[in-house]
Amino acid sequence: GAGVSQTPSNKVTEKGKYVELRCDPISGHTALYWYRQSLGQGPEFLIYFQGTGAADDSGLPNDRFFAVRPEGSVSTLKIQRTERGDSAVYLCASSRGQNTGELFFGEGSRLTVL
Amino acid sequence: SQQGEEDPQALSIQEGENATMNCSYKTSINNLQWYRQNSGRGLVHLILIRSNEREKHSGRLRVTLDTSKKSSSLLITASRAADTASYFCATAYTGTASKLTFGTGTRLQVTL
Repeated sequence: GAGVSQTPSNKVTEKGKYVELRCDPISGHTALYWYRQSLGQGPEFLIYFQGTGAADDSGLPNDRFFAVRPEGSVSTLKIQRTERGDSAVYLCASSRGQNTGELFFGEGSRLTVL
Repeated sequence: SQQGEEDPQALSIQEGENATMNCSYKTSINNLQWYRQNSGRGLVHLILIRSNEREKHSGRLRVTLDTSKKSSSLLITASRAADTASYFCATAYTGTASKLTFGTGTRLQVTL
């Protein structure tokens, strides 16, 4: 596709449930990022992939959060045993290479945990 | 954690006026970027300034960088109602490979 695609755009779930959020980056972009944005705040870094490997996962808040990118393209962010505090917009971005240039963001997946 | 702080948090101006937003950061950087976010949408890259640059222009945007003060400013000239959005600075810190750290944002409202 022409841009970064994220699905679902909205997800409502109950506390304790498992959630998967998907990101399809721009074709050919080797770097992929996940950020989380709470209302009124800036995006908070979660994890960065270069190719298939997680080059930096220092932003993942705890072991309930996990992300994969098995073929170096599509990535899935997985959240286990969701909590109300996980409610936020999860943003995915991609970029051309390893150097921190321009990031191209998707529209985000809004997660609401009831 | 968010390393950058934008100032002001909110700014309301009339169409045609200039808007200035400031960003401060904490440690040495490779580059600093500004992004725009319309309500409920993703972020859009506006401009990137490298640590060895002091000023950069793009259309109605002017960005300055003062590494001695660890600060940057974004000037939007001749603002339009369509410029209404949140603006974020993002820094690529030296030694942190390829991740960007975003500030808290400035919400700009441009009225007719």
